[in-house]
Amino acid sequence: KAGVTQTPRYLIKTRGQQVTLSCSPISGHRSVSWYQQTPGQGLQFLFEYFSETQRNKGNFPGRFSGRQFSNSRSEMNVSTLELGDSALYLCASSPGTTTNEKLFFGSGTQLSVL
Amino acid sequence: AQSVTQPDIHITVSEGASLELRCNYSYGATPYLFWYVQSPGQGLQLLLKYFSGDTLVQGIKGFEAEFKRSQSSFNLRKPSVHWSDAAEYFCAVGRTGGFKTIFGAGTRLFVKA
Repeated sequence: KAGVTQTPRYLIKTRGQQVTLSCSPISGHRSVSWYQQTPGQGLQFLFEYFSETQRNKGNFPGRFSGRQFSNSRSEMNVSTLELGDSALYLCASSPGTTTNEKLFFGSGTQLSVL
Repeated sequence: AQSVTQPDIHITVSEGASLELRCNYSYGATPYLFWYVQSPGQGLQLLLKYFSGDTLVQGIKGFEAEFKRSQSSFNLRKPSVHWSDAAEYFCAVGRTGGFKTIFGAGTRLFVKA
């Protein structure tokens, strides 16, 4: 079974631009969560989608948005990029049907904002 | 709201020595607790999880963790560390009825020969 796939692996953008990151979950998984990872901050929860609906949202500004498609693939978008948005963005999938599920993580997209 | 604290930013241990990584959580009810490991350039992999029952949980790669409700702790242990254990370790907590896992800031483990 293929794992969680995130594209692109690396991305360089300039301030003010917008960016879209993609995540393909494990086949059969309906829940996709997004996290922002920065040194010293650990993983900060962005949002979680299940069957195209956002079930949970973290404390990030409205510039961060996401969506999920009918095939469970998910995208997250960051508009008006700031230098502080430079981070590793991780996507995780799970079946999504119970609370205590293990998360399966992709390798992440490393975003650098110049 | 649930939260997780990992007091140690980094720890260095000698190969073959024992290891304990600390984790404290904040949550009103019985939490779901996890330990994940992240090797350089990789995503996170689950080491073990606790939901209920026996408070000593066994995981992969020889790791174990003990849930102590009175101390709100879920410390990770390994009796003998191998060089390949050098990585970053994350404690995480989930809550009943929620689909949101909250992670600590992580502890980076260095292993010296």
